[in-house]
Amino acid sequence: NAGVTQTPKFQVLKTGQSMTLQCAQDMNHEYMSWYRQDPGMGLRLIHYSVGAGITDQGEVPNGYNVSRSTTEDFPLRLLSAAPSQTSVYFCASSYKSGSYEQYFGPGTRLTVT
Amino acid sequence: GQSLEQPSEVTAVEGAIVQINCTYQTSGFYGLSWYQQHDGGAPTFLSYNALDGLEETGRFSSFLSRSDSYGYLLLQELQMKDSASYFCAAHNAGNNRKLIWGLGTSLAVNP
Repeated sequence: NAGVTQTPKFQVLKTGQSMTLQCAQDMNHEYMSWYRQDPGMGLRLIHYSVGAGITDQGEVPNGYNVSRSTTEDFPLRLLSAAPSQTSVYFCASSYKSGSYEQYFGPGTRLTVT
Repeated sequence: GQSLEQPSEVTAVEGAIVQINCTYQTSGFYGLSWYQQHDGGAPTFLSYNALDGLEETGRFSSFLSRSDSYGYLLLQELQMKDSASYFCAAHNAGNNRKLIWGLGTSLAVNP
């Protein structure tokens, strides 16, 4: 199993550009989520999904969109990048029931200039 | 609001025992998880407590007191590789996979 994969690992954007961060998991997990982590901070939930076709907002959803067309993939779209979105983005997945462990991808380090 | 408080930094020596505390104020509390994160890496799961008491997993143990809204992570026989950040995260009762995270405790293990 590859676990949770994220691409790209690093990205530099100019203000106003859009892009999609990719996340995929091969563990057949129903639950997937996106977090951002800023220096010295904990993780803040952006969006999450409890299954294909179902998404919901987390704590800091503004400026981001998600969709979940398959169990495996959960892309995060930045609509119009702003310097405040400079952060490390982590995707995570887990089963919807049973074990509470969340599995994290390696992260995408995004800089918006 | 919802918040979790944990110390920002802890220092210990190899072989010692260290306790990292976490107090929480969350509506609809379901359980408490602990994660480890090395610099530049992804968080990795350590433990989960839903009921009061101690859960032991090797050198690491985690404790929860729901009446005190308090938990801690206990690390024994510290090794240099335990130097990392440790996060407590509260599970939401409405969606028990939804987490609110503390700001993390940076643990430095010295020789």
